[in-house]
Amino acid sequence: DIHMTQSPSSLSASVGDTVIITCRATQTIGNYLHWYQQTPGKAPKLLIYDASSLQSGVPSRFSGTGSGTDFTLTISGLQPEDFATYYCQEGYSSPITFGQGTRLDIK
Amino acid sequence: QVQLQQWGAGLLKPSETLSLTCGVSGGSFSGYYWTWIRQSPGKGLEWIGQINHVGGSNYSPSLRSRVTLSVDASKNQFSLNLNSVSAADTAVYYCARVQYRTTWYDYWGPGTLVTVSS
Repeated sequence: DIHMTQSPSSLSASVGDTVIITCRATQTIGNYLHWYQQTPGKAPKLLIYDASSLQSGVPSRFSGTGSGTDFTLTISGLQPEDFATYYCQEGYSSPITFGQGTRLDIK
Repeated sequence: QVQLQQWGAGLLKPSETLSLTCGVSGGSFSGYYWTWIRQSPGKGLEWIGQINHVGGSNYSPSLRSRVTLSVDASKNQFSLNLNSVSAADTAVYYCARVQYRTTWYDYWGPGTLVTVSS
């Protein structure tokens, strides 16, 4: 299985800040990398697919870059509703695998 | 608007069989793989398996010996059976949708907490 490692595991930020979350794969996965947001008690919500494509309805302050093994999720101008846990997911292999998550807290 | 609703028993004893069903409304049932994913504090998000509307399925190698997925396309429903459960199977179980020739999950069910305890 491909192992996905996110960093940091947690971070604290303030409303208006810009944060970057990284995801690294143990082997090349092309651009088959997707990002999700999860709030407590809810299912994950798709934000970015294929590394950089914004899912319909997702605010443009979310953006993704990367290919191969290294990827980033950037949130520009944090809003109160953005404080959540973020997961990356690779779609290159079967079974697909997720990162361990990055928890974003209010500072 | 696509909606996934899920139901099934939330409390099981060790060695029992976990059974969950996911119903799909508001969209096509064909052209997608219907997937089960679980989430536990210890193992994070874990892919269990997927099935399409005609019963074509794939399973996680680590769970294959205990998992059966089934589909009832006439009702737009699909189901998960996981036998011989143990405490390690305690998790929130989600159903989700992935379109053919894509690899991301765009719609998810609300999740069902399944607890295995004697």
